[in-house]
Amino acid sequence: NAGVTQTPKFQVLKTGQSMTLQCAQDMNHNSMYWYRQDPGMGLRLIYYSASEGTTDKGEVPNGYNVSRLNKREFSLRLESAAPSQTSVYFCASSAGTGSGYTFGSGTRLTVV
Amino acid sequence: RKEVEQDPGPFNVPEGATVAFNCTYSNSASQSFFWYRQDCRKEPKLLMSVYSSGNEDGRFTAQLNRASQYISLLIRDSKLSDSATYLCVVPWDSGYSTLTFGKGTMLLVSP
Repeated sequence: NAGVTQTPKFQVLKTGQSMTLQCAQDMNHNSMYWYRQDPGMGLRLIYYSASEGTTDKGEVPNGYNVSRLNKREFSLRLESAAPSQTSVYFCASSAGTGSGYTFGSGTRLTVV
Repeated sequence: RKEVEQDPGPFNVPEGATVAFNCTYSNSASQSFFWYRQDCRKEPKLLMSVYSSGNEDGRFTAQLNRASQYISLLIRDSKLSDSATYLCVVPWDSGYSTLTFGKGTMLLVSP
């Protein structure tokens, strides 16, 4: 009963490096989300995918790209990492409108 | 950005106490609300959904006041294990496809 699985759990990048954060859910949910959480800022939406084949920008999309690979998987890519992208990244999924989210355990990313 | 405001706390209470958190929101069209719990260095987890006039789940009661645009969470008979940050959550857009999270209220329950 995995729910939402994120990889990796921890990552250190140098400025300018790229990486992809992976997320997969096994609950047959339609919608998937990427949030970042910073001290004093709360959770902020980066990108979301309301259904397979669609993606939309959230509150803080700059510097990120996403891919909804299939119904299960939603990846987040940092093309050229910056220190301002040091954060904890959470992936979440939901059954759709009016439903709560189930979160993955997070990826702690440090950009030096 | 649709605003969700919470008192950051921390609220320090002894075991057995009753504690209440309030949350105000700016999107008057919001219909569905949630309370999430987040433990230190963990992911948020759904605590309660709040529909219409509110609901109760054991020691937890959530209330909604549409006229004043706030929701509250009441915790009775606090346990040490209730120590966490409580996040108020409201829909971000009229289609309710995304949620906006408050910054959270920290609760510390002491023996």
